[in-house]
Amino acid sequence: GQQVMQIPQYQHVQEGEDFTTYCNSSTTLSNIQWYKQRPGGHPVFLIQLVKSGEVKKQKRLTFQFGEAKKNSSLHITATQTTDVGTYFCANFNKFYFGSGTKLNVKP
Amino acid sequence: DAGITQSPRHKVTETGTPVTLRCHQTENHRYMYWYRQDPGHGLRLIHYSYGVKDTDKGEVSDGYSVSRSKTEDFLLTLESATSSQTSVYFCAISVEGPNTEAFFGQGTRLTVV
Repeated sequence: GQQVMQIPQYQHVQEGEDFTTYCNSSTTLSNIQWYKQRPGGHPVFLIQLVKSGEVKKQKRLTFQFGEAKKNSSLHITATQTTDVGTYFCANFNKFYFGSGTKLNVKP
Repeated sequence: DAGITQSPRHKVTETGTPVTLRCHQTENHRYMYWYRQDPGHGLRLIHYSYGVKDTDKGEVSDGYSVSRSKTEDFLLTLESATSSQTSVYFCAISVEGPNTEAFFGQGTRLTVV
């Protein structure tokens, strides 16, 4: 189907370490979105990738869309405690969200 | 937060009772969605609406109905609540349809006992 699989499920890092979450689909995606949800909060849109091989940066966050448009990644450089939360990828035009990667950052 | 308000924010109800959750938006956006969030499952679509009186089912629509009689309000009804419907419910809107970013409400935590 149009579901997206996301790994890892959990990631615990020391503050200052890097973090990456991966999103994979068995079918070609027209676009992919990323959201962040803080503990107890609601999902907040981060970015949308549309083009094959696209790379976008937001400060310490780097988002990539695979050449085949079947996978995507979110990389955070030098994590901070403010990065704590769950990161979701979404094939929103098919209404599917990945199961999320929960990031915990130890100060 | 795109002017989205969910009510109530918390509710405890008994098995077998009907429950209605409300999503209200102030921006007159056409597309509105109801998702539920459960541990290990991420967000799963229950129903969505693409205009007044225009709704469609999502992945987990069994046991739920929706209504949209006004642009600003999207109601989710659990006809007869069951314990499996204990969840956090999020309403979302998107400005130009599902190919654009979604804005989520604060969520409603529903417990069915």
